Amino acid sequence: GEDVEQSLFLSVREGDSSVINCTYTDSSSTYLYWYKQEPGAGLQLLTYIFSNMDMKQDQRLTVLLNKKDKHLSLRIADTQTGDSAIYFCAESGTGGGNKLTFGTGTQLKVEL
Amino acid sequence: DVKVTQSSRYLVKRTGEKVFLECVQDMDHENMFWYRQDPGLGLRLIYFSYDVKMKEKGDIPEGYSVSREKKERFSLILESASTNQTSMYLCASSRLGDRAGELFFGEGSRLTVL
Repeated sequence: GEDVEQSLFLSVREGDSSVINCTYTDSSSTYLYWYKQEPGAGLQLLTYIFSNMDMKQDQRLTVLLNKKDKHLSLRIADTQTGDSAIYFCAESGTGGGNKLTFGTGTQLKVEL
Repeated sequence: DVKVTQSSRYLVKRTGEKVFLECVQDMDHENMFWYRQDPGLGLRLIYFSYDVKMKEKGDIPEGYSVSREKKERFSLILESASTNQTSMYLCASSRLGDRAGELFFGEGSRLTVL
């Protein structure tokens, strides 16, 4: 079955860039997603990328997709304390998104 | 403001009790999902539903059942709670079609089974 892997923790200093990485196994995934979970809350969609794209930029966020290596990354520029959260990547599989497979989540800690 | 509402934020139950977790969405979404979240394991899909009275098993359905009698409401049932079902339960909804991966989540229900 599908498997999505992430490292569990990342710590950065405020103002630095953060890069959160993800590897997935289902090469037929149509979309790949990044979700953010703040403490005590549910997940919210941060951004997504269509599988025929290599890169997507949205303000401080840059998503890079390497389909050959099945590697997805999320770069947050000028990381702020408010970015401290758990970040999940997810793949849609062949269903186009009806059933997402989530990664283990990366806890991002931003230090002053 | 669009919302997915889970009826209970925190529950404490005893082993063997029947547990109902309720979820309501106000976005007229066709898809609804129940996930459980455990540290180091991420989110795992228990059940999902793409229409009223329709349900499909996710990756870990054992020990759970669901009910979708109305479009806006999706209930998760633990027939006989066990300690290994202590977890955070997250409900989500989405549209059908290309935007199906844009899930809207509730705040979660933290269940402790003693």
